[in-house]
Amino acid sequence: GAGVSQSPRYKVAKRGQDVALRCDPISGHVSLFWYQQALGQGPEFLTYFQNEAQLDKSGLPSDRFFAERPEGSVSTLKIQRTQQEDSAVYLCASSLVVARYEQFFGPGTRLTVL
Amino acid sequence: QKEVEQNSGPLSVPEGAIASLNCTYSDRVSQSFFWYRQYSGKSPELIMSIYSNGDKEDGRFTAQLNKASQYVSLLIRDSQPSDSATYLCAVNAGTDKLIFGTGTRLQVFP
Repeated sequence: GAGVSQSPRYKVAKRGQDVALRCDPISGHVSLFWYQQALGQGPEFLTYFQNEAQLDKSGLPSDRFFAERPEGSVSTLKIQRTQQEDSAVYLCASSLVVARYEQFFGPGTRLTVL
Repeated sequence: QKEVEQNSGPLSVPEGAIASLNCTYSDRVSQSFFWYRQYSGKSPELIMSIYSNGDKEDGRFTAQLNKASQYVSLLIRDSQPSDSATYLCAVNAGTDKLIFGTGTRLQVFP
């Protein structure tokens, strides 16, 4: 079946612009995660949803970052007033059930802030 | 101290050899352990999960877990050039998120 999809795959933004990154999880997956991956590093947790509820947003680096999943399926990660340090690959992962923690990643969105 | 530590490599092995990748973690309550493979410019791909002490085999891959030593490893038998990638160790400590190491770059040369 279809995997996790993300769009856009690449985004170039001028510093100060707002961006919105979309994630479409595997059908039926309850849990959805956002991670940020800098070059040469492992992914770092940003936030987590179980259905439409955002249960953990402890990894969001600032209040410029906001995520939502209003109908428990598609999720959007929004970054307001982008800064150069926001440049990274943003990865979305989904999991069928929380208990097993097996997370499957989408292709990612590479964000470059000029 | 980082929560999940891996040698960044590169680990270079000849084709057909066994590649051994290691990972240590700091949180003793960690319950679930994963190995992801990441090709350059691609996203992480789950290749192994392990939840209890001992070995778990899947094809050419074997994951080994020792909770007392807080150590998890991945063995790749009969390594192929197509196995050349970065291997990420990830740990879940009973919460929702995965904690990743920085990854070990594996190079398999013909």
